[in-house]
Amino acid sequence: AQSVAQPEDQVNVAEGNPLTVKCTYSVSGNPYLFWYVQYPNRGLQFLLKYITGDNLVKGSYGFEAEFNKSQTSFHLKKPSALVSDSALYFCAVRDTSGAGSYQLTFGKGTKLSVIP
Amino acid sequence: NAGVTQTPKFQVLKTGQSMTLQCAQDMNHNSMYWYRQDPGMGLRLIYYSASEGTTDKGEVPNGYNVSRLNKREFSLRLESAAPSQTSVYFCASSEHIADTQYFGPGTRLTVL
Repeated sequence: AQSVAQPEDQVNVAEGNPLTVKCTYSVSGNPYLFWYVQYPNRGLQFLLKYITGDNLVKGSYGFEAEFNKSQTSFHLKKPSALVSDSALYFCAVRDTSGAGSYQLTFGKGTKLSVIP
Repeated sequence: NAGVTQTPKFQVLKTGQSMTLQCAQDMNHNSMYWYRQDPGMGLRLIYYSASEGTTDKGEVPNGYNVSRLNKREFSLRLESAAPSQTSVYFCASSEHIADTQYFGPGTRLTVL
C-alpha cells in the first residue's frame, strides 16, 4: 500500500526566510510525487511533480522540491518566503506498480504561515 | 478556459435527502475524479473515471454513486445523505489516469 506523511501540521516562517515543508512517502515500486497548494476556500493548485530524472524539481511561484530516494522524502522548499505563500500544502504520491496504482494518496496537509 | 467547474458551491441537506453534485471540465481530459476533504485527513478518493464509459471505486465509496455523463461531465450522487457526509467535495480531471490532476473550486456540503 502507498502512503504519505506530512509530519508538521503547521510551519511558521518569517517573510524573506527560506521555508521547508516536509513530506515522506512509502511505496512498493517507484513513486510519482506531487505538491499542491490550497488557498482558503479554493481548490487545490498543482505546484510541481517528480516523475523521473533530476532529483531537484522546480515548480510554480519559485517553489522547488528535492526527491531523496534513500530517505523516501520529497520536501518542498523556497529560498525566500512571501506572505502570499501562506496556505495549506499537500504532498501526494502514486505508486507506479501494483494494484491501485492509478490512485493518488494525499498527505493530511501542512499549514504554512509566513509572518511579515 | 474555465478548467474544472463545480456546482453548487454550497449546499445544506437534511439527513435522508438526496442530491447530485455536478462537475464539468473543458480541457478535453479523459480521466475525472471525486474527492472529499475533511479537516486533518487530507483528500480521500471517492470514485474515479479513467475514461468515458468507465467508473471505479476509490478509498471511500460507500454512500455515493457516480455517473460519467460524457467526456466533460462527471456527477456525484448522494442517495440518502448522512451527517458523516458533511465535507468539502472536490472534482478533478487529468489528461490520462496517471497524469497531473487539476481541481475544481469545491462544494461545501453540510448534512444536518
